[in-house]
Amino acid sequence: AQKITQTQPGMFVQEKEAVTLDCTYDTSDPSYGLFWYKQPSSGEMIFLIYQGSYDQQNATEGRYSLNFQKARKSANLVISASQLGDSAMYFCAMSGTYKYIFGTGTRLKVLA
Amino acid sequence: KAGVTQTPRYLIKTRGQQVTLSCSPISGHRSVSWYQQTPGQGLQFLFEYFSETQRNKGNFPGRFSGRQFSNSRSEMNVSTLELGDSALYLCASNLGTGNSYEQYFGPGTRLTVT
Repeated sequence: AQKITQTQPGMFVQEKEAVTLDCTYDTSDPSYGLFWYKQPSSGEMIFLIYQGSYDQQNATEGRYSLNFQKARKSANLVISASQLGDSAMYFCAMSGTYKYIFGTGTRLKVLA
Repeated sequence: KAGVTQTPRYLIKTRGQQVTLSCSPISGHRSVSWYQQTPGQGLQFLFEYFSETQRNKGNFPGRFSGRQFSNSRSEMNVSTLELGDSALYLCASNLGTGNSYEQYFGPGTRLTVT
């Protein structure tokens, strides 16, 4: 069975500092994708970053990077230089056969 | 390119009624997935449609059903509404083939059952 675990229900970070949001996963599929989404209070899910299971290098998208450690089955999101607008819920997700599995999310609050 | 649209955005229904939610995917996307989001259960997968066929479904009762039309637009229906069905319902689309894993989400429909 597939599973995504986010153990940090809430996090605080000072503006302009970096923060790491944890995500571990479990799957028996040889090929899968790992994603991070941001959900502001408005409710819309915003795609941040994607990592394929066969990708050798960690994915990066602007201030977002995904620290992919396949042997540990972890896919942590690193946000550099946090901004006030980064305050939101962050979900880690994994793609399986025709469906996604989401973690329970981490609420990030950026402090001025 | 227009994003995923969902209608209506907000809905209030009474227990026992039924409701239909609509989702229009991004042009060219053939896969539409539906999710229920509640504070207690988080984001849960309902079902996924591709080329008018349901390819996968989550663990929801038969009161939850869906369909997809030839233009890839999808509808989700919930019959005999219960208070616990109050949630944000999100739909997402993607190409549905190859390595098109990335999903694009709509703004959601917030359903309140009283």
